[in-house]
Amino acid sequence: DAGVIQSPRHEVTEMGQEVTLRCKPISGHDYLFWYRQTMMRGLELLIYFNNNVPIDDSGMPEDRFSAKMPNASFSTLKIQPSEPRDSAVYFCASSLAEFPGYGYTFGSGTRLTVV
Amino acid sequence: GQQLNQSPQSMFIQEGEDVSMNCTSSSIFNTWLWYKQEPGEGPVLLIALYKAGELTSNGRLTAQFGITRKDSFLNISASIPSDVGIYFCAAPRNNNDMRFGAGTRLTVKP
Repeated sequence: DAGVIQSPRHEVTEMGQEVTLRCKPISGHDYLFWYRQTMMRGLELLIYFNNNVPIDDSGMPEDRFSAKMPNASFSTLKIQPSEPRDSAVYFCASSLAEFPGYGYTFGSGTRLTVV
Repeated sequence: GQQLNQSPQSMFIQEGEDVSMNCTSSSIFNTWLWYKQEPGEGPVLLIALYKAGELTSNGRLTAQFGITRKDSFLNISASIPSDVGIYFCAAPRNNNDMRFGAGTRLTVKP
């Protein structure tokens, strides 16, 4: 099992540019989560999907952020336009069961730097 | 913001020493999880606890689910250099809203 795969690993972009982060969950997992990690706020849940349907996007900071899951094996997180305060590590995670006690499997993250 | 209060924020210890960290909350949880994050990687699940008072071990790691269901503890015995990383407690607020503590950054000096 290749685990949760995220791309790119690192992204440096200029303020105002569009950024797209990609995630391939573990095959068979029916939940997918996007988290953002910063020193100030730690790990924050942005949005999660169940069977490709967005369930809770209350953690999405503002309208500049959007996420899609067109099929069970792919999800994107888009920031348009990007701002320096969006600089963070973005993690995708997936899980098999609705009960989170089984734990999530995280990807290696995308380190985003907006200059 | 975070609802889990994790302490200490960081620890600098000598190889071979034991480590203790904890996580508290004003809310009751039915599950407590402990993750470890190594540099450049995502968090990895270490231990899951499902019952108040439960004590679970994974090698040199031992975690406990507090009897009040508002706290949890993680101990690492006889630390080694590869224990370096950030340790997070986590608990689900509802079925899928996982909250994470701020993390304990562990440094082990050889």
